[in-house]
Amino acid sequence: GENVEQHPSTLSVQEGDSAVIKCTYSDSASNYFPWYKQELGKRPQLIIDIRSNVGEKKDQRIAVTLNKTAKHFSLHITETQPEDSAVYFCAANLASGGSYIPTFGRGTSLIVHP
Amino acid sequence: DGGITQSPKYLFRKEGQNVTLSCEQNLNHDAMYWYRQDPGQGLRLIYYSQIVNDFQKGDIAEGYSVSREKKESFPLTVTSAQKNPTAFYLCASSIRGQGAKGETQYFGPGTRLLVL
Repeated sequence: GENVEQHPSTLSVQEGDSAVIKCTYSDSASNYFPWYKQELGKRPQLIIDIRSNVGEKKDQRIAVTLNKTAKHFSLHITETQPEDSAVYFCAANLASGGSYIPTFGRGTSLIVHP
Repeated sequence: DGGITQSPKYLFRKEGQNVTLSCEQNLNHDAMYWYRQDPGQGLRLIYYSQIVNDFQKGDIAEGYSVSREKKESFPLTVTSAQKNPTAFYLCASSIRGQGAKGETQYFGPGTRLLVL
């Protein structure tokens, strides 16, 4: 199976609603969980990240929660705006052959309707 | 955003041809990465380099080759052995290699490769 699973693949919300994207990972040794936003035709950019020593982190309308026991983490966007429309990727650094490899989920296409 | 650049923006490959994608960074980052992006597939790691003159295969290295002769440069060659090269290729860098703590990656603008 996939090392980092991300759901849903598509999420459609009305402006002002909240959006939640969830990811699970396979490697209990993973310690770093970033989220990237990729607008159409542009490069992915980090929007928030969390390390395994904390359970939640917030930055204005964006928050990430981490449950290390269950090996899942989630991105929460409140009061969504049309400019939040983009593809969002979760990632985790997975142990591989003595080093750590950044591994991405397949992405969630978020559509915010005005 | 100007810290990591890729060229060209679009690249066309003919049958049996090798092509090279350029990636340059002026961020003084030790680590650099190449990803392939296909619709619905996310970002898949092709190769990565944690230090000059050293690189490792990622999940989908077959049909690709890289070099890391300078800290600021990490070119990717798509060889004729790569039978399905049409994709969006993203280069990234981070201050250090991932390690147990993980590092933020900074992405270039990408190169779209098309097969004629």
